[in-house]
Amino acid sequence: GAGVSQSPRYKVAKRGQDVALRCDPISGHVSLFWYQQALGQGPEFLTYFQNEAQLDKSGLPSDRFFAERPEGSVSTLKIQRTQQEDSAVYLCASSLGQSSYNSPLHFGNGTRLTVT
Amino acid sequence: AQSVTQPDIHITVSEGASLELRCNYSYGATPYLFWYVQSPGQGLQLLLKYFSGDTLVQGIKGFEAEFKRSQSSFNLRKPSVHWSDAAEYFCAVGARGGGNKLTFGTGTQLKVEL
Repeated sequence: GAGVSQSPRYKVAKRGQDVALRCDPISGHVSLFWYQQALGQGPEFLTYFQNEAQLDKSGLPSDRFFAERPEGSVSTLKIQRTQQEDSAVYLCASSLGQSSYNSPLHFGNGTRLTVT
Repeated sequence: AQSVTQPDIHITVSEGASLELRCNYSYGATPYLFWYVQSPGQGLQLLLKYFSGDTLVQGIKGFEAEFKRSQSSFNLRKPSVHWSDAAEYFCAVGARGGGNKLTFGTGTQLKVEL
């Protein structure tokens, strides 16, 4: 497909379970971002990759959150020991250039995570 | 750190009426400013952006926004709303020299009455 693809579309996890969320960016896009969108809120920055390098992880809420992009394409966001406050939509976005300011961000439809 | 305020959570307008969505930002210098739209089941889509220069910027779908430094505002406008414009609209700010991350507002839900 031509857009950013995220899977699964929906994920229900029991409190304490680990989850892995996948993002397939647009082919050739250098930059990849993860955002967290809680209900009724705007997206909040989690982390940023330039190719395989994680250049900014300042938005990750705790050490239970881990993201990787080992080959500079597909990225995985992993959440260990999920908590109810982790319930949110997780958005992935990619851009062609190194700067999301000059190079438009393309967002996926997100993964809705519900922790019960 | 930068922040964005969208004071209107919900707005309802009639089809054909004009629209203005408010956005105020807090940042020490002139930021990068963006408006995104999120339709149900769709990813966020960029409507327009302001970096510098002309303070009135044109975007897609007939939208425009005006940067007003004195008011720290970047309001989104459309002269005549279409029913398909019903969606959630997010204003976002990026810090110059501060990396690539965007700070989003909490969004304004637009309802269009036929």
